[in-house]
Amino acid sequence: NAGVTQTPKFRILKIGQSMTLQCTQDMNHNYMYWYRQDPGMGLKLIYYSVGAGITDKGEVPNGYNVSRSTTEDFPLRLELAAPSQTSVYFCAAQGWGYGYTFGSGTRLTVV
Amino acid sequence: GENVEQHPSTLSVQEGDSAVIKCTYSDSASNYFPWYKQELGKRPQLIIDIRSNVGEKKDQRIAVTLNKTAKHFSLHITETQPEDSAVYFCAASEGNNRLAFGKGNQVVVIP
Repeated sequence: NAGVTQTPKFRILKIGQSMTLQCTQDMNHNYMYWYRQDPGMGLKLIYYSVGAGITDKGEVPNGYNVSRSTTEDFPLRLELAAPSQTSVYFCAAQGWGYGYTFGSGTRLTVV
Repeated sequence: GENVEQHPSTLSVQEGDSAVIKCTYSDSASNYFPWYKQELGKRPQLIIDIRSNVGEKKDQRIAVTLNKTAKHFSLHITETQPEDSAVYFCAASEGNNRLAFGKGNQVVVIP
């Protein structure tokens, strides 16, 4: 039982490049979330999903996109990477009425 | 939506002393209050949680208390150890099952 798995752990992108951050959970939870955490700061919600086929924007969605074709997977797509997207990205999964289980994070640097 | 505030932002304690972090929330309908610990470079991890029908919950050296009337809840760490040094996030549930997070408290345990 791995919980929430994120790949890659580290990535360096050039400005204008694109990439997909992968997130997979094996807990059969309907709710999944993407957060970004800038150095010394709190968690900011990018996108979330309440089940397969349903996604919605959080507080900082610009420059990102998501899809949720299965319960297990919730990839985050970055198009045209910008230095402002340098951050640590956490994916989380949640059952109804419980706390989040976070993945180990992806540390992204855009140069 | 729910607004969660944490105080103080940074707390330094001598090893062996107790640490208390307080959070306030705005939505009286919130009924689930988890606490997360984030060590440097790691993911946030759930350490304890409390539901609105309980006033206090303990787990070894940590405890959480909830005052629904005043809309605040607190994390208590007794006999602090160096490994307790971390950022602690409180959260409160929103009606849509999401969690609203505080901005985090840095706890430093001085040996």
